[in-house]
Amino acid sequence: ETGVTQTPRHLVMGMTNKKSLKCEQHLGHNAMYWYKQSAKKPLELMFVYNFKEQTENNSVPSRFSPECPNSSHLFLHLHTLQPEDSALYLCASSLRGAGGPSYEQYFGPGTRLTVT
Amino acid sequence: GENVEQHPSTLSVQEGDSAVIKCTYSDSASNYFPWYKQELGKRPQLIIDIRSNVGEKKDQRIAVTLNKTAKHFSLHITETQPEDSAVYFCAASISSMDTGRRALTFGSGTRLQVQP
Repeated sequence: ETGVTQTPRHLVMGMTNKKSLKCEQHLGHNAMYWYKQSAKKPLELMFVYNFKEQTENNSVPSRFSPECPNSSHLFLHLHTLQPEDSALYLCASSLRGAGGPSYEQYFGPGTRLTVT
Repeated sequence: GENVEQHPSTLSVQEGDSAVIKCTYSDSASNYFPWYKQELGKRPQLIIDIRSNVGEKKDQRIAVTLNKTAKHFSLHITETQPEDSAVYFCAASISSMDTGRRALTFGSGTRLQVQP
């Protein structure tokens, strides 16, 4: 285990559903990330949170809504998704900040999302 | 923003041969270049990284080289083994004393197949 967990591991939802993905890290990191991985774009950064503050949003549609209540938890709220949103959603965490000992990103196992 | 291109997209080698994966980046301010390995059905994991103050780094059968002038870096795997079969991602980011490290920009990935 890398210390980053994601639930659920698999999710099937209709286009009118609302669901949430959860990520939790037990590594004492201060930054968390959401990535989308699909055949078209293997590792596509979606959002970055640094000390609970969103610092990057890579032009992600508003049907994806992130939430970071604390530095250990990250959510991705899903609403009225499209079939093309079907993908593996990966969460990652790292230490960020000048002079930090390590900037390696530790990935969770991912949530395989299928939108029907 | 940063743009990272990776080649080839697929690479097949015989066991024992060497494999080379190349990446180019666009932002000359980028100064941190990690490589991640993702085995089938598993999460990406860091295998080696290099900072812009060095030109080459080795770790057993894996080496990474960096050419800052040309803005490209490469992963070299020698004496390949079947367990090296995976998707490899290069990435680039900027680290500064003021803002810490920006999020990684990943290449599109290389699927390496080592034939026994």
